[in-house]
Amino acid sequence: EVKLVESGGGLVQPGRSLKLSCAASGFNFNDYWMGWVRQAPGKGLEWIGEISQGSSTINYTPSLKDKFTISRDNAQNTLYLQMSRLGSEDTAIYYCARVGRQVFDYWGQGVMVTVSS
Amino acid sequence: DVLMTQTPVSLPVSLGGQVSISCRSSQSLLHSDGNTYLHWYLQKPGQSPQLLIYRVSNRFSGVPDRFSGSGSGTYFTLKISRVEPEDLGVYYCLQSTHFPWTFGGGTKLELK
Repeated sequence: EVKLVESGGGLVQPGRSLKLSCAASGFNFNDYWMGWVRQAPGKGLEWIGEISQGSSTINYTPSLKDKFTISRDNAQNTLYLQMSRLGSEDTAIYYCARVGRQVFDYWGQGVMVTVSS
Repeated sequence: DVLMTQTPVSLPVSLGGQVSISCRSSQSLLHSDGNTYLHWYLQKPGQSPQLLIYRVSNRFSGVPDRFSGSGSGTYFTLKISRVEPEDLGVYYCLQSTHFPWTFGGGTKLELK
């Protein structure tokens, strides 16, 4: 069974940084691109970006490219999202997802990030 | 960015009925590799999105045949027949032909 579990969310002050993790199991993590999507409270879905199997290619949505960094540790079957200079507009549920043939086929349950003083 | 426009925003339905949701893109979603990367998701209340249809018309594993997708170019449709209670929630289309990937704004399927 494919399982994705996000962690690392919580309350963070504006301007600070936060790193999210996504632990993967139930499939060969090394074989798949992985990605992140976020959803502001009561809003729709926003694609953050994706990373290739060996981390050689990382694509971001342009508006977040200078604030967010996606990485992975294949030995630990873990995906990461490093977020910096956080603002209230970054308050959202953050989902990690597996990329299967250019589609997010499995999603984690999501982790809430609240940016507030 | 490719703009994805979903209609309607809200869709009242009776159990057992049939509905259609539309998704229109601002550019053609036909990729140079010959595939069209338009997908459909359902997000049930309090849950993460789940994949229903990938590449226009392919049902994902475990998705009942009550769900069907069609379309090409810039116009796509998701049809749900014999609506059941577990079908209620917000439906999103996603295009992954062009970077950045973009989602439609969502269509909320709710009981009349």
